[in-house]
Amino acid sequence: DIQMTQSPSSLSASVGDRVTITCRASQNIGTYLNWYQQKPGKAPELLIYAASSLQSGVPSRFSGGGSGTDFTLTISSLRPEDFAGYFCQQSYSAPPTFGQGTKLEIK
Amino acid sequence: QMQLQESGPGLVKPSETLSLTCTVSGDSIISHYWTWIRQPAGKGLEWIGRVYSSGSSRSSPSLESRVTMSVDTSKSLFSLRLASVTAADTAVYYCARDYFYDDGDSQPNNWFDSWGPGILVIVSS
Repeated sequence: DIQMTQSPSSLSASVGDRVTITCRASQNIGTYLNWYQQKPGKAPELLIYAASSLQSGVPSRFSGGGSGTDFTLTISSLRPEDFAGYFCQQSYSAPPTFGQGTKLEIK
Repeated sequence: QMQLQESGPGLVKPSETLSLTCTVSGDSIISHYWTWIRQPAGKGLEWIGRVYSSGSSRSSPSLESRVTMSVDTSKSLFSLRLASVTAADTAVYYCARDYFYDDGDSQPNNWFDSWGPGILVIVSS
């Protein structure tokens, strides 16, 4: 299975900050990388697919980048509703696998 | 807008079979893949398997000996059965649409674009 490693595991930031979360794959996965947001007690929601494509309805302050083994999720200016968990997921080969998650907390 | 809803027992005894159903509304179940994912409390996400509307399926190698998935297109629902459960199977179980995109030029891509709210299943005697 392809291992996905996110960093950091947790992050404290303030409203208005720019933050970047990193995801590294254990092998080359091209741009077969998706990002999800999960709020406490809720199901994950798709933010970014194919590394950099914004899912319909997702605010433009979210952006994704990278290819190969290294990927980023950037939030350009944090809003209160963005404090949540974030997961990356590879779709290059079965079984699809997820990163361990990054918890974004209010400073 | 598509909605998914998991249903089934919230408590299952060890060694028994966990059975869940996901009802799809707002869009057709036909010609799509449907997936099951679980999340133990405070932990990450684990893919269990996917089933196509035709009934063909694929499971995670770590679970495939215990997993059975099916689809009922007439009722717009798909189902998961996980046999011989232990406490390690205690988790929130999610169903989701596994959206496949094929532009014809490269390997198809897929992502989980609609999720149910999840159902907590506890394995305990």
